[in-house]
Amino acid sequence: GAGVSQSPSNKVTEKGKDVELRCDPISGHTALYWYRQSLGQGLEFLIYFQGNSAPDKSGLPSDRFSAERTGGSVSTLTIQRTQQEDSAVYLCASSQRLTDYEQYFGPGTRLTVT
Amino acid sequence: GNSVTQMEGPVTLSEEAFLTINCTYTATGYPSLFWYVQYPGEGLQLLLKATKADDKGSNKGFEATYRKETTSFHLEKGSVQVSDSAVYFCALERRDTGRRALTFGSGTRLQVQP
Repeated sequence: GAGVSQSPSNKVTEKGKDVELRCDPISGHTALYWYRQSLGQGLEFLIYFQGNSAPDKSGLPSDRFSAERTGGSVSTLTIQRTQQEDSAVYLCASSQRLTDYEQYFGPGTRLTVT
Repeated sequence: GNSVTQMEGPVTLSEEAFLTINCTYTATGYPSLFWYVQYPGEGLQLLLKATKADDKGSNKGFEATYRKETTSFHLEKGSVQVSDSAVYFCALERRDTGRRALTFGSGTRLQVQP
């Protein structure tokens, strides 16, 4: 079946602009996670959603970052007033239930802030 | 806080050589431990896991044993193949806190030469 998909695959933006990154989880997966992978910081957790529960936002690095998940499926990560240090690969993952151990990762969106 | 430390790469081996990638962790409580692998051009995927002390995770000829006394989860394979060339990430998750966020190590690149 289809895996986790993310769009766009690459995004180049100017400093100060807002960007939206999209994640389509595996159908039927109730848990969705965002991570970012950067040269300086490695792989970092950002936020996760489980069903209709309030998301765990504890990994978001600043209030410029926000995410939402509509209808328990698609998620959008928004970065406002982008900075050069936001340049990274943003990864989305999903799991069937929050109790499942395995997270299925998408291919990522490479964000470059110039 | 929680952290994972992996040996730096790249690790370069000849085909059929023995592989060890060291991983140690710092965490209170009872983390679950994982190895994820990222093949060239592909997304992260779970390789193996261990959810309690002394558990051994295994998959595709790779093994790792959860050693609480040494806080380690070293990855081993008896005979590597060129197709094992990838980046390997050790990770932990503190299930006992109710959070579902993976903490990753910095990754170790493995290059296997024919």
